[in-house]
Amino acid sequence: DAGVIQSPRHEVTEMGQEVTLRCKPISGHDYLFWYRQTMMRGLELLIYFNNNVPIDDSGMPEDRFSAKMPNASFSTLKIQPSEPRDSAVYFCASAIGGNQPQHFGDGTRLSIL
Amino acid sequence: AQTVTQSQPEMSVQEAETVTLSCTYDTSESDYYLFWYKQPPSRQMILVIRQEAYKQQNATENRFSVNFQKAAKSFSLKISDSQLGDAAMYFCACDNAGNMLTFGGGTRLMVKP
Repeated sequence: DAGVIQSPRHEVTEMGQEVTLRCKPISGHDYLFWYRQTMMRGLELLIYFNNNVPIDDSGMPEDRFSAKMPNASFSTLKIQPSEPRDSAVYFCASAIGGNQPQHFGDGTRLSIL
Repeated sequence: AQTVTQSQPEMSVQEAETVTLSCTYDTSESDYYLFWYKQPPSRQMILVIRQEAYKQQNATENRFSVNFQKAAKSFSLKISDSQLGDAAMYFCACDNAGNMLTFGGGTRLMVKP
């Protein structure tokens, strides 16, 4: 079975540009999570969805960040406008149920110049 | 809020020897789950082992086992017969009843041939 698929794997863009990160969860998984990993702050949960509905977005840093899950097989994390401090690795993960192991994608390394 | 602390930023072990990585956590929940994830240089996040807090028996997965001390809120990972492929960052994580993973800061494990 295919795991969680994220695209792009790397993204380099200039500050002020809109950035869209994409995620396809494992088929049949009802939970989807977005994380950010930086050296300073480690791994942080940004937002998670259950059955395509956002449940907790308290980790989203500010209004420049938004996430959507239009259907069970696709989610996006958007940053507009992007800033250099948004540079990080962004992970998407999915789980078959609550408190079940989360399966991570390979991450997107985002660099904002 | 819950916190996860890994007090060892780096650990080193000789190939074929045993190493123990420490983790302590703090949560007000009575029902929660604990995980160890491995992140090799490829940056994938790979689930190593999972422990349900209500189970007294320590989880085991092949060469990996945990020492779960609920009263002390301690959750250490023991790797037996260490292999070169075990070299990675290891993250301890706590998942409360709200399905939200909180990660520790990580321990970098080096394996010497």
